[in-house]
Amino acid sequence: DVVMTQSPPSLPVTLGQPASISCRSSQSLVHSDGNTYLNWFQQRPGQSPRRLIYKVSNRDSGVPDRFSGSGSGTDFTLKISRVEAEDVGVYYCMQSTHWPGAFGQGTKVEIK
Amino acid sequence: EVQLVESGGGLVQPGGSLRLSCAASGFTFSNYWMTWVRQAPGKGLEWVANIKPDGSEKYYVDSVKGRFTMSRDNAKKSMYMQMNSLRAEDTAVYYCVRGRGVDVWGQGTTVTVSS
Repeated sequence: DVVMTQSPPSLPVTLGQPASISCRSSQSLVHSDGNTYLNWFQQRPGQSPRRLIYKVSNRDSGVPDRFSGSGSGTDFTLKISRVEAEDVGVYYCMQSTHWPGAFGQGTKVEIK
Repeated sequence: EVQLVESGGGLVQPGGSLRLSCAASGFTFSNYWMTWVRQAPGKGLEWVANIKPDGSEKYYVDSVKGRFTMSRDNAKKSMYMQMNSLRAEDTAVYYCVRGRGVDVWGQGTTVTVSS
């Protein structure tokens, strides 16, 4: 089974500053159909998770453009160009290329 | 509006059973893989199981294999999770999620396993 490793577990950030979260998979996430099913989620306190990014770098509708995803193969990154107060929460990567699927352990973004 | 609504959670004793349901609306249910994801109190998200659009393939995380069984009824636009031999560590909010893209989530249903 694929193991997803996220870092850091906690990320204190100053408002207006950038933030970056790393996610590594134990095997390549390139599917036989050529797509890479690596997704990023945001979970605000008390809410259901919300998908931000799909297939590595595609932003979901309504997601601010300060969020961006990149990477390939086994190494992926979520970047927030300028952190805002509403970005506080826990961020998860998740692979849905191979079954069973798998989430990273989560990164808690908080304001310094 | 695309929507997923879970039901069936509750309090159950260790060793007991529960059946979760997920009702879909607003999209062609029979076209999508469907997934259960859970979140234990204060913990991260855990992928639990999924089922192919026609129900012919199912995958489970190791910790629930042999105890949990997924099924679906495309005519009723619903999927189910039969959970047997429940353990304290199965206590969690269970989310119903759409597709390989995991793009639509329900609000979750809470399962508590405790004596």
